[in-house]
Amino acid sequence: KQEVTQIPAALSVPEGENLVLNCSFTDSAIYNLQWFRQDPGKGLTSLLLIQSSQREQTSGRLNASLDKSSGRSTLYIAASQPGDSATYLCAVGETDSWGKLQFGAGTQVVVTP
Amino acid sequence: DAGVTQSPTHLIKTRGQQVTLRCSPISGHKSVSWYQQVLGQGPQFIFQYYEKEERGRGNFPDRFSARQFPNYSSELNVNALLLGDSALYLCASSLLGGGSSPLHFGNGTRLTVT
Repeated sequence: KQEVTQIPAALSVPEGENLVLNCSFTDSAIYNLQWFRQDPGKGLTSLLLIQSSQREQTSGRLNASLDKSSGRSTLYIAASQPGDSATYLCAVGETDSWGKLQFGAGTQVVVTP
Repeated sequence: DAGVTQSPTHLIKTRGQQVTLRCSPISGHKSVSWYQQVLGQGPQFIFQYYEKEERGRGNFPDRFSARQFPNYSSELNVNALLLGDSALYLCASSLLGGGSSPLHFGNGTRLTVT
């Protein structure tokens, strides 16, 4: 059974510092991995989608890497801003599950001015 | 273009009652998925529909059911509500099924069971 873990559960950084968020998964037979952002009481906003054949994806200040063999993904957010404060969730799509995503519990990020 | 829309935004029900949640996907998206998110946890997969057919079901009891209509909108029904069903119910749509395109989520329906 696939298990997705995100450590730490919470993180506080001063504005301008780079953020590094970690995601690990137990079964490397994944189809893709997706990073989401969730603001309090809101739905999820898709940030980056990495297909299993890719090693990284970039969008603006965001960069996500994927290492299937070690079961890890890392989300980097450069030059953090107070508006980056949110919960960040990673989710893996498994090869035999036709689109079902298995989520981690998320990392709650606070960026202080 | 409008994103994924869900209704109602909030709902309060009593134990034993039944509830229907609604979801309209992004225009052109043919796949709809439902997730349950309990406070402090990541979303848990409930159902996925593609082209009006059920393509996946999570580990939820038969009290949970869903369907997708010809216009690709979807309903999630929960019967015989329990206190433990209190959660944020999220609907997501994608252009294609099978995980080949990213999921886009709505803002969810907050269900409280008293």
